[in-house]
Amino acid sequence: EVQLGETGGGLIQPGGSLRLSCAASGFTVSTYYMSWVRQAPGKGLEWVSIIYGGGSTYYADSVRGRFTISRDNSKNMVYLQMNSLRAEDTAVYYCARDGSQRPVQYWGHGTLVTVSS
Amino acid sequence: DIQMTQSPSTLSAVVGDRVTITCRASQSFSSWLAWYQQKPGKAPKLLIYKTSTLESGVPSRFSGSGSGTEFTLTISSLQADDSATYYCQQYSGYPWTFGQGTKVEIK
Repeated sequence: EVQLGETGGGLIQPGGSLRLSCAASGFTVSTYYMSWVRQAPGKGLEWVSIIYGGGSTYYADSVRGRFTISRDNSKNMVYLQMNSLRAEDTAVYYCARDGSQRPVQYWGHGTLVTVSS
Repeated sequence: DIQMTQSPSTLSAVVGDRVTITCRASQSFSSWLAWYQQKPGKAPKLLIYKTSTLESGVPSRFSGSGSGTEFTLTISSLQADDSATYYCQQYSGYPWTFGQGTKVEIK
């Protein structure tokens, strides 16, 4: 069974850094496209970043240069390093996995990041 | 970037109604369009991918269609359990973009 579990969220001051982790089970992260999608409180969904099986990465304009997606194949984990955090980065962050012809087939439960002083 | 605009933003209908949600794109793209259902406090759930392919386990009352810049999600006979917010998403190119969502309420 495919499972995704995010950790690492919390309250952080503007300008600070945080690293989100996504633990995967039931599959190997290196053979799928892994994404992060976020949702600000009461708002819609926003795609953040993706990492391909081959290692290529892409980012939303709003986070490029501040966020970095990475993967540890030995631990079957995906990460999102978030630097220079802003109030507008406050959101629930979901880890997600693609499927054949599907952008996101599986979602984690999400982890809340609150950027506030 | 491809902007996705959903309409309506909210809709209220009775059980048994046929419901249609439209998603319009700022530029034409191929069939890489998905629909999700999200209930409060939960992660989204994939309903439709590649414009019209029903995800396994999703009731057949859900269907998707469209091409170019206009895509639709139809619920043929609305059920109480369909009360949720629905999002379209294009994955034709980066950045992937979502519509702003359509909240479906049951009268």
